[in-house]
Amino acid sequence: DTAVSQTPKYLVTQMGNDKSIKCEQNLGHDTMYWYKQDSKKFLKIMFSYNNKELIINETVPNRFSPKSPDKAHLNLHINSLELGDSAVYFCASSQDQARTGGYTFGSGTRLTVV
Amino acid sequence: KQEVTQIPAALSVPEGENLVLNCSFTDSAIYNLQWFRQDPGKGLTSLLLIQSSQREQTSGRLNASLDKSSGRSTLYIAASQPGDSATYLCAVNQAGTALIFGKGTTLSVSS
Repeated sequence: DTAVSQTPKYLVTQMGNDKSIKCEQNLGHDTMYWYKQDSKKFLKIMFSYNNKELIINETVPNRFSPKSPDKAHLNLHINSLELGDSAVYFCASSQDQARTGGYTFGSGTRLTVV
Repeated sequence: KQEVTQIPAALSVPEGENLVLNCSFTDSAIYNLQWFRQDPGKGLTSLLLIQSSQREQTSGRLNASLDKSSGRSTLYIAASQPGDSATYLCAVNQAGTALIFGKGTTLSVSS
């Protein structure tokens, strides 16, 4: 059983398109996250939801909109895609904002904007 | 603002060597510190999690230590193998933010 699963694994799309990445976790965690890994492999937090409530919203363009229908799902919708959005996007989850436990990451979605 | 630094950025060793990866952080008010491994084109695999009250954690050939007061952690890999080749990431967790990562150490173990 995959603990944190993301779909799709690869996404190639043209500039200006709108796309979504889905994430689901079956660990019973109450907090979920989206991270972006840039071309230099640096991981940076984008958003975090705790029990469907947005708790972290870093400096991310408004074209990025997370949605959490329930605490097991956190999707990422991106409008008007730009070349600079090309990156690997990772979903993660933790319990109680990882005060005592750690984070579990998905396998990533490689987004290429052409 | 928390900053996490990993030294060295890259490391090449022959098989069988013991090695140490270093991680430092600027704000010692952390909940815990987590070491991850990332293979090329793959996701992150958690290796070890050290709570702020702990000094070290061990898993197989891996040992991670934490000195919270000095803002340092080390990941010790014993008897390195070619399969250990990967990027190792250190990350700290603290109140008010999500996991903050260093830029990683890319390890290459030659046979």
